[in-house]
Amino acid sequence: DGGITQSPKYLFRKEGQNVTLSCEQNLNHDAMYWYRQDPGQGLRLIYYSQIVNDFQKGDIAEGYSVSREKKESFPLTVTSAQKNPTAFYLCASSMQGSQPQHFGDGTRLSIL
Amino acid sequence: DAKTTQPTSMDCAEGRAANLPCNHSTISGNEYVYWYRQIHSQGPQYIIHGLKNNETNEMASLIITEDRKSSTLILPHATLRDTAVYYCIVRGGSYNTDKLIFGTGTRLQVFP
Repeated sequence: DGGITQSPKYLFRKEGQNVTLSCEQNLNHDAMYWYRQDPGQGLRLIYYSQIVNDFQKGDIAEGYSVSREKKESFPLTVTSAQKNPTAFYLCASSMQGSQPQHFGDGTRLSIL
Repeated sequence: DAKTTQPTSMDCAEGRAANLPCNHSTISGNEYVYWYRQIHSQGPQYIIHGLKNNETNEMASLIITEDRKSSTLILPHATLRDTAVYYCIVRGGSYNTDKLIFGTGTRLQVFP
């Protein structure tokens, strides 16, 4: 089935540790996005990529890094510089233009 | 900030139509209206989108006023599984992909 796969579903990080969240899509979408959601709040954009080997910072990029080496993959690294990483992380993808973004089921990151 | 205003919560009886309003009085000519919903602990699910004409798909209908300053999402026969937070989002349809700005949405409770 076509879709967006995020893994793992739950992730725990120790203080000072970097962790990488996986996002894979087989929809042949050009653009991919990472959002963060805190309890009771809307989504905030971390990074997005419109084409392979190119990406732009969103509203809250500090403490995060991404890569886009393949069209279908857009991993997000939460670095130790991110002081409040506990959140629900959502990956999305879309075709260009007015086409809607489609979301994965998310990764819930917690600090040990 | 979100460009839309929605009621905080609504109730609907199972089997009845759920009509969710959204105000977007500052919408510009090339901006689309998108609707998503989010069930607890899952990624947002795309429902429908439109520019100025009314739209219908297998999930819902979208009614946009002639002046485009407001819209209504209609779930024709609500079920218990439609209980979720519904987000109305305004976004440009240009090549330069814009982020989705999620507000606080409308929490729809469908009761038996």
